[in-house]
Amino acid sequence: ETGVTQTPRHLVMGMTNKKSLKCEQHLGHNAMYWYKQSAKKPLELMFVYNFKEQTENNSVPSRFSPECPNSSHLFLHLHTLQPEDSALYLCASSQDGDNYGYTFGSGTRLTVV
Amino acid sequence: AQKITQTQPGMFVQEKEAVTLDCTYDTSDQSYGLFWYKQPSSGEMIFLIYQGSYDEQNATEGRYSLNFQKARKSANLVISASQLGDSAMYFCAMRDLSGGYNKLIFGAGTRLAVHP
Repeated sequence: ETGVTQTPRHLVMGMTNKKSLKCEQHLGHNAMYWYKQSAKKPLELMFVYNFKEQTENNSVPSRFSPECPNSSHLFLHLHTLQPEDSALYLCASSQDGDNYGYTFGSGTRLTVV
Repeated sequence: AQKITQTQPGMFVQEKEAVTLDCTYDTSDQSYGLFWYKQPSSGEMIFLIYQGSYDEQNATEGRYSLNFQKARKSANLVISASQLGDSAMYFCAMRDLSGGYNKLIFGAGTRLAVHP
């Protein structure tokens, strides 16, 4: 596989559930990102991992918990979410100095009921 | 703080015509990079074109070109000979290197509809 792969593509979960989003990149990039895209709002950067170390957490609620076990995999663990957390969650990767910016996955569309 | 502004929530264009999507930015950095991405209804963000702040020529990639006016801090995307498949959301973004690592900040986006 090439590029950035996100699973699942769609997820419906109750507010008391625990689920995880998975992101995998086979591009040899050294940084990975989680973005949240809500309706009618700009993309919001949630977390940045650089060389597997978390370098940014943009005041994201603790019900979102990232994990980066290696430079190719990134997870977003979800628990006790709220309906306003329903959104498209996009994973991306990049290589420092690369003028092509990020390579994005297709996203996970999350619905919290 | 860096900021990207896209003032056109929606645009429409006739097939085979050209269209310009506006983007202005605000930064105090001397060196920066600007990007345009396309997001079809499937959700994936597709990289289109890049312009570096020191590039003297406007960037071009096939039917996409970037009208870069540094003094006005604008980086408008021009799509020539529009096709029905160009209907999508388009996002302007800027590279932010604060904190010592690469991250992109995005504008609100413009929804483009191409009519036959």
